[in-house]
Amino acid sequence: QKEVEQDPGPLSVPEGAIVSLNCTYSNSAFQYFMWYRQYSRKGPELLMYTYSSGNKEDGRFTAQVDKSSKYISLFIRDSQPSDSATYLCAMTPPSYKLIFGSGTRLLVRP
Amino acid sequence: EPEVTQTPSHQVTQMGQEVILRCVPISNHLYFYWYRQILGQKVEFLVSFYNNEISEKSEIFDDQFSVERPDGSNFTLKIRSTKLEDSAMYFCASSEKPLMGEQYFGPGTRLTVT
Repeated sequence: QKEVEQDPGPLSVPEGAIVSLNCTYSNSAFQYFMWYRQYSRKGPELLMYTYSSGNKEDGRFTAQVDKSSKYISLFIRDSQPSDSATYLCAMTPPSYKLIFGSGTRLLVRP
Repeated sequence: EPEVTQTPSHQVTQMGQEVILRCVPISNHLYFYWYRQILGQKVEFLVSFYNNEISEKSEIFDDQFSVERPDGSNFTLKIRSTKLEDSAMYFCASSEKPLMGEQYFGPGTRLTVT
């Protein structure tokens, strides 16, 4: 079983839609969870950072962590074409090392 | 907004040559990292660095790799004898605190080994 699993997509939605991106993980030691956005051939950009179970909201983005199910989600409201990118989940036990998912490619159609 | 910068953006080298990839972390950050991403694959951790010492490294980070903080602003990754399989995007990251994630990444250096 992979440590972090993420559906690669691509996920194609119309502009204005609510997008749901998800990751599952197997290591119950993970405590810190992040979502990064990566445009083609660019560096990962930190979007959301959460610790422990629950929800965290920042503008159009909501990150959700369910440690009992080992499941994290990122919701994007009112999606825009500029949101088209690859979204990476990442997590750490804590450790210096981040463990990344493979990324979900999102396309928001105008 | 402060950001991590990396140079060069693209480096082409021949197999067996040494390369040095450079990074300037965010100025008040004390923890530095290198990751790599082979085309179409996951971002993979290579090494973390604090107080002039390696704090953690992966199995990828073997003897051909080294890291250094040569001055107060730069952080470098050296690959001594490049192989074809070293071709990848190399990302530098930095963080204010250790062990809690929240790492900020640079734009990357694309290394092509021919």
